[in-house]
Amino acid sequence: QKEVEQDPGPLSVPEGAIVSLNCTYSNSAFQYFMWYRQYSRKGPELLMYTYSSGNKEDGRFTAQVDKSSKYISLFIRDSQPSDSATYLCAMMDSSYKLIFGSGTRLLVRP
Amino acid sequence: GAVVSQHPSWVICKSGTSVKIECRSLDFQATTMFWYRQFPKQSLMLMATSNEGSKATYEQGVEKDKFLINHASLTLSTLTVTSAHPEDSSFYICSAKSPGGETQYFGPGTRLLVL
Repeated sequence: QKEVEQDPGPLSVPEGAIVSLNCTYSNSAFQYFMWYRQYSRKGPELLMYTYSSGNKEDGRFTAQVDKSSKYISLFIRDSQPSDSATYLCAMMDSSYKLIFGSGTRLLVRP
Repeated sequence: GAVVSQHPSWVICKSGTSVKIECRSLDFQATTMFWYRQFPKQSLMLMATSNEGSKATYEQGVEKDKFLINHASLTLSTLTVTSAHPEDSSFYICSAKSPGGETQYFGPGTRLLVL
């Protein structure tokens, strides 16, 4: 079993839809949780990072962490074609290494 | 803030030559940087952890004599692919640990093609 499981997608939604991306993890020692967006042939771009259980909002993005269920989510409101990318969840271990999910490819159709 | 740059963005070289890739944190100091490799349609694979002023720590299966890492200052780490071969062709990405240690910021990546 992988330490971090992520829905592989691809996920195709119409413009304006609410997108839900999810990851589960098995290591309860993970303390920081991140979402990155990666466009083709580019490095990952940090969208949000969270530490505690609960919600964190930044513009159209909301990150949610449920440590008791070992489950994290990223919600994208009013999705735009420019949001089409691969979304990677990542967890940080005690040595500051990131453990990535496999990534979910998102396509937002105009 | 929190910008990480890489140079070059792409490089083509002949088999047997060495290639150096630079990773810089532009607006913060990074005691720890990381080097990743990514194949098409796959997630990032950590190659090594680079700590300023000390030897890099390599992940299992990564040849330290082939992938030389130097972290001589708090804003610069370099990865040198020695005696490159076609199978080393890949997308190499660096990241820098944030000053508070809560996240990593990534560079734009370097695409290497070995002919």
